[in-house]
Amino acid sequence: GENVEQHPSTLSVQEGDSAVIKCTYSDSASNYFPWYKQELGKRPQLIIDIRSNVGEKKDQRIAVTLNKTAKHFSLHITETQPEDSAVYFCASLSGGSNYKLTFGKGTLLTVNP
Amino acid sequence: GAVVSQHPSWVICKSGTSVKIECRSLDFQATTMFWYRQFPKQSLMLMATSNEGSKATYEQGVEKDKFLINHASLTLSTLTVTSAHPEDSSFYICSARDWGLAAHNEQFFGPGTRLTVL
Repeated sequence: GENVEQHPSTLSVQEGDSAVIKCTYSDSASNYFPWYKQELGKRPQLIIDIRSNVGEKKDQRIAVTLNKTAKHFSLHITETQPEDSAVYFCASLSGGSNYKLTFGKGTLLTVNP
Repeated sequence: GAVVSQHPSWVICKSGTSVKIECRSLDFQATTMFWYRQFPKQSLMLMATSNEGSKATYEQGVEKDKFLINHASLTLSTLTVTSAHPEDSSFYICSARDWGLAAHNEQFFGPGTRLTVL
């Protein structure tokens, strides 16, 4: 089955700096890659996603890049703010009838004021 | 739109009892719902895929007789943890795909249910 690796597991940045989180996946048939932000005790919130026919997508301070050949995708957050502090998960969706999401292990991002 | 609710939001039960968790899609029809379990400081692990009107598909290592899933309508799936034990204590989260947006892959997550087994 699909395997998603996520790095780093923890990331601490100063307010205003950029943060980058990287993920790799194993299933070349995977075609949808969402990123989620999860605050303690809350549901995962979709913050951005990218489909396999696109190499980059941006939404204000957040961007995602996808390299299908290398099977990796990255989340970029610019001008970080303390409220960006949370756990971020990448995920990969395998095709076929099940449409199962496989999650990375998560990255705890801390933005220091 | 695309709101998923779960009930209860938290539950405490005694070891050996059964607990039912409901997952509802409030404003869309969900032919497929997913049940995840999340232990503290860990990722979401898919337990099973629930398809309306058919049996659930369980992930490897998940006991189907212990975690009973019923998806009787397009807006409701239930997860029953039978004979719960302390090691079943976890955060259970459901998600749903919008049948009307089948071409889109986004899953909508419920708020989660915190289960504590004493």
